[in-house]
Amino acid sequence: GENVEQHPSTLSVQEGDSAVIKCTYSDSASNYFPWYKQELGKGPQLIIDIRSNVGEKKDQRIAVTLNKTAKHFSLHITETQPEDSAVYFCAASKNNAGNMLTFGGGTRLMVKP
Amino acid sequence: ETGVTQSPTHLIKTRGQQVTLRCSSQSGHNTVSWYQQALGQGPQFIFQYYREEENGRGNFPPRFSGLQFPNYSSELNVNALELDDSALYLCASSLAPGGNTGELFFGEGSRLTVL
Repeated sequence: GENVEQHPSTLSVQEGDSAVIKCTYSDSASNYFPWYKQELGKGPQLIIDIRSNVGEKKDQRIAVTLNKTAKHFSLHITETQPEDSAVYFCAASKNNAGNMLTFGGGTRLMVKP
Repeated sequence: ETGVTQSPTHLIKTRGQQVTLRCSSQSGHNTVSWYQQALGQGPQFIFQYYREEENGRGNFPPRFSGLQFPNYSSELNVNALELDDSALYLCASSLAPGGNTGELFFGEGSRLTVL
């Protein structure tokens, strides 16, 4: 089955700096890669996603890149703000697996004011 | 529009007991998925329900079972509880069961502690 590795497990940045979180996946058939943000006491919330026919996607301060050949994808947050502090999860799935997402282990991002 | 709601929010059980967790999906969503999130880890897929039938299952034993009702709400049942079942159980609803056609909307979860 699919295996998703995520790094780093914790990341501390100064407000205004950029943050990068990286994930690798094992199943070359995976074609959908969402990123979720989980705040304390809440369920994960989708912040951005990318499909395998696209190499990069951007939404304001957040961008995701995908390298299918190397089987890795990354989340980039620019101009970080204290409210970006949370746990971020990458995930992967494929068309015939419904909503079965395989999640990475998570990255705790701390943005220091 | 109401979001995904789960109950109870917290509960404590002892080893060997049975538990039922409940989920109301977001308005208009016909598919419900359940995930288990151990402390400090990413969620793990348990199973998914569409049109009241299970149509996808992760690597969980049969003592994990579920139901979906005609109003699309769902239950997760766990029999013969083990200490390792202690986790946050997340319910997620979506518009469709497959093809990655839409995002998953998660509830805030039910935190189960097994003593």
